[in-house]
Order: sequence, then structure tokens, then C-alpha cells
Amino acid sequence: AQTVTQSQPEMSVQEAETVTLSCTYDTSENNYYLFWYKQPPSRQMILVIRQEAYKQQNATENRFSVNFQKAAKSFSLKISDSQLGDTAMYFCAFGGATNKLIFGTGTLLAVQP
Amino acid sequence: EADIYQTPRYLVIGTGKKITLECSQTMGHDKMYWYQQDPGMELHLIHYSYGVNSTEKGDLSSESTVSRIRTEHFPLTLESARPSHTSQYLCASSEGFGANVLTFGAGSRLTVL
Repeated sequence: AQTVTQSQPEMSVQEAETVTLSCTYDTSENNYYLFWYKQPPSRQMILVIRQEAYKQQNATENRFSVNFQKAAKSFSLKISDSQLGDTAMYFCAFGGATNKLIFGTGTLLAVQP
Repeated sequence: EADIYQTPRYLVIGTGKKITLECSQTMGHDKMYWYQQDPGMELHLIHYSYGVNSTEKGDLSSESTVSRIRTEHFPLTLESARPSHTSQYLCASSEGFGANVLTFGAGSRLTVL
């Protein structure tokens, strides 16, 4: 069975600095997708970034980028130039052959002014 | 605007009452999901549907039931609410398999006294 592990329950970063959130997963599948979702306080969960496992190039969306290490089963999220609006719970998720997303336990990120 | 709507956003109810959490999406997505999320915790899939008249139980056992009579509508019902049902319930939908990008509703926070 697939598992997703986020080992950092909480993190804090100063505004304008860079922070990296960790995620590891376990699977025997070769073709799958990985996601980072953001859940701001009392607001809707939204997709931050997505990575296809068959692509070697790391996905990038503006200030958000990932470091995807397929052999190590690692999928970290880097947020550059952190902004106050980045304060949220961040969930790493795995989507494979079952077509059901498996979520990690989340990392609560606080951006300090 | 294409979106996914959940009502009520907040509900406080007494033990033994029947409740229905509504979820509607305007995107024409075939796949719909219900997740249960306790405060600061991961999301657990409790129900999903791949289309009209198709419903399946998720990975977390739940006493709730769902129905999918129309593509856009996926309500969740608790016949007799108990304090253990207190949680946040998130509805989501997706267009297809593989990429599995979920669009989430804003959530329904249920408190059973």
C-alpha cells in the first residue's frame, strides 16, 4: 500500500525568505503523480503544484518549485520569496493506479512578517 | 464560474439528529469524493463516486452514506449524528483519472453535541 510521510508538523519562515517542505512516499508503482496542496486557514484547499513521475524535470509554478527524487521517493516543495499569504497547511499527496489520492499529515507553515 | 459548493459551512446539532451535507459542482466532473479531516490532521477518504449511480466506500470506515443521482450533486447523510462524527467534511471533484487534480469545496464543519 502507498504511504505519504510529511515529517515536519510545523515550520516557520521570515517573509521574503525561502523555505523547503519535505515529503517522502512509498510505492511499488512506476507511473504516478505527486501533488502539493495548500489549505489556508478557513479557506478552500487548492492545488499548488503537480509532478508526473515519468518526467525528470522538476515542476515549477512561479515561486513554487519541487525537488523530485524518484529513486529516493522524495518530493519536497520549495517556496521562494515567502509571502504572508503563503501561511497555510500544506499537504503532499500521491495519485497512482487506484485513482484515489493519498494525503500526508500536512505541514503547517507560518510566514512571519 | 465553475466551482464546487458545500452547504452548510458550519453546523452544530444534537445527538441523534439526521443531517445531510450538500455538495454540488458546476464543472461536469464525473469523479466526486468526500474526505473527513479532523483539526490539523490529514484527510481521510470516506466515499467516492465515478459517475451517476456509482458510489464506493473509501479507506476510512464511516457511518455516513452518499448518493449520486445527478452528475453535479453528491450529498452525504448521517442518519443519527453522534459526537464522534464531529469533524470537517471536504467534498472534491476531478475530471478524470491519472492526473487526479482535485477541486475542493470550502468544507462543512460539523459539531455534534
